[in-house]
Amino acid sequence: GAVVSQHPSWVICKSGTSVKIECRSLDFQATTMFWYRQFPKQSLMLMATSNEGSKATYEQGVEKDKFLINHASLTLSTLTVTSAHPEDSSFYICSARRGTSYTDTQYFGPGTRLTVL
Amino acid sequence: LAKTTQPISMDSYEGQEVNITCSHNNIATNDYITWYQQFPSQGPRFIIQGYKTKVTNEVASLFIPADRKSSTLSLPRVSLSDTAVYYCLVGDMGTGRRALTFGSGTRLQVQP
Repeated sequence: GAVVSQHPSWVICKSGTSVKIECRSLDFQATTMFWYRQFPKQSLMLMATSNEGSKATYEQGVEKDKFLINHASLTLSTLTVTSAHPEDSSFYICSARRGTSYTDTQYFGPGTRLTVL
Repeated sequence: LAKTTQPISMDSYEGQEVNITCSHNNIATNDYITWYQQFPSQGPRFIIQGYKTKVTNEVASLFIPADRKSSTLSLPRVSLSDTAVYYCLVGDMGTGRRALTFGSGTRLQVQP
């Protein structure tokens, strides 16, 4: 199946700093990428939808100025957590879909564990 | 998007067949049913997808009755490595740009 990578796999930062997480589709071009957040023992929660070359669409309650998303190419989307605080500590997972049909499988990255001290 | 209901947890033993049923009473005509598996600290992994009747691949089978208001994921002869959370998702065929919405999932624990 298709491969989606994330970098870094884990990061620890101080409160107030910014952290950038990269999501890449390695063997296909992703017209749409998605960012999720997952807290311990909970399900995945969609944060935003990212389309190449256009602004991301954020879910209700997600601060777009805090979670900056840039979908620079058909294989790369980045999530920047600005001025991170301990409550932003979570598991961030990206996913990518090859086409625009729902039947096109959504492939997920391995996730990035963010810990804010 | 159709809401899904799954058991919170299930227990099984190695070598047994496990069936996880998902209820989606308000599934729409264009909705597909997709199942994902997630191990701790990993991203979800696609297992199987179907629209109606039965779908089988190398790892699982998906049974969908005629009314499509439920579906059952069948895992044959589970092993310890099948211990994971399994998510049932329902979505519209025509809105590929929309993300999959995850419910609470079913936590499967396989015992030796």
